[in-house]
Amino acid sequence: KAGVTQTPRYLIKTRGQQVTLSCSPISGHRSVSWYQQTPGQGLQFLFEYFSETQRNKGNFPGRFSGRQFSNSRSEMNVSTLELGDSALYLCASSSGQITSFSEAFFGQGTRLTVV
Amino acid sequence: QKEVEQDPGPLSVPEGAIVSLNCTYSNSAFQYFMWYRQYSRKGPELLMYTYSSGNKEDGRFTAQVDKSSKYISLFIRDSQPSDSATYLCAMRADKIIFGKGTRLHILP
Repeated sequence: KAGVTQTPRYLIKTRGQQVTLSCSPISGHRSVSWYQQTPGQGLQFLFEYFSETQRNKGNFPGRFSGRQFSNSRSEMNVSTLELGDSALYLCASSSGQITSFSEAFFGQGTRLTVV
Repeated sequence: QKEVEQDPGPLSVPEGAIVSLNCTYSNSAFQYFMWYRQYSRKGPELLMYTYSSGNKEDGRFTAQVDKSSKYISLFIRDSQPSDSATYLCAMRADKIIFGKGTRLHILP
């Protein structure tokens, strides 16, 4: 069974630019969550999509947005990049069950560097 | 007060020792408590999860949850150099919230 695939693995962007990251979840999984990981703040929740709808959102500015397609693949967009957006962006896929435990499987992440 | 607090370490222990990792939390709504392990340049992977209070054992790993104290622990027995990684506690209500992670080094 293929795991969670994130592309690209590495990105270097300039301040003010925008970027789009992609995540392909495990086949059959309907939930995709996005996280930002930095040494100072750790793993912070950005948002979760389930069946093309945003189900939860973290405390990030509106420059961070996402969407999910009918095949459950998800994209995350960051506009007007700032130096502080440099981080490892991780996506996790799960079946999305709320009433019981559903394991979240992580991709290897996209390392974004803003210069 | 952050929802989940975890000492970032690093924590260095000799091979074979018992390791204790801990997290505290403030949100009473958390129902599922998890421990993830993350190796360098990899995404986190689930080690164990517990529903509500109690203990759970899986091989050399034991997870404990004390909801009355809002405190969770992970114990690693007979630690091995391959256990060297960052360990993240995580908790779920409507979404999963992670601790910052504890860097663990097992010294051969």
